[in-house]
Amino acid sequence: DTGVSQNPRHKITKRGQNVTFRCDPISEHNRLYWYRQTLGQGPEFLTYFQNEAQLEKSRLLSDRFSAERPKGSFSTLEIQRTEQGDSAMYLCASSLTGQRFYGYTFGSGTRLTVV
Amino acid sequence: GQQVMQIPQYQHVQEGEDFTTYCNSSTTLSNIQWYKQRPGGHPVFLIQLVKSGEVKKQKRLTFQFGEAKKNSSLHITATQTTDVGTYFCARTLYNTDKLIFGTGTRLQVFP
Repeated sequence: DTGVSQNPRHKITKRGQNVTFRCDPISEHNRLYWYRQTLGQGPEFLTYFQNEAQLEKSRLLSDRFSAERPKGSFSTLEIQRTEQGDSAMYLCASSLTGQRFYGYTFGSGTRLTVV
Repeated sequence: GQQVMQIPQYQHVQEGEDFTTYCNSSTTLSNIQWYKQRPGGHPVFLIQLVKSGEVKKQKRLTFQFGEAKKNSSLHITATQTTDVGTYFCARTLYNTDKLIFGTGTRLQVFP
């Protein structure tokens, strides 16, 4: 297992287009998280899943954002009708719940630029 | 609010000097986690503190959790250029696994 994998690494899109990102977590991890990070800021929580169930979604997330985790494995994050303010690094992380905590493992992220 | 504040925002040190970043919350924390993000990289988990007054060490890094569980610190002894990056503390809220990141401290080390 090579860790959390995110694709694509970079995405440039025109305003108004839809984009979809994919995250493949560490296989035995049951929790998966999406964060957004802009330059000079800390990661901002978007949503998270336990297995296939979406447990929480940030109130900051507009209806243009949707995430899925079918079958509790990989996850996709879709942004519809992109806006310039959506430009950011989108980070995925996974973790395993249990007695001992090993932290969140983050992927390398997908950098979105909306032009 | 829910976010934890970190100070300083930036720190430039000469290699070999010590460095400390502080994390403060207005509410009691159930736990505190620390992450390091290298320039151009992604956050990497360093440690989690859970107990009041807890102190943990990782080589040159010392992590502390305050007695009141409202603050935490990360101290690096004799910094090296490999310590360059942004250090984030992060909290989870009670009854949720959502991780809220602090504002971060960017460390620059000059050789």
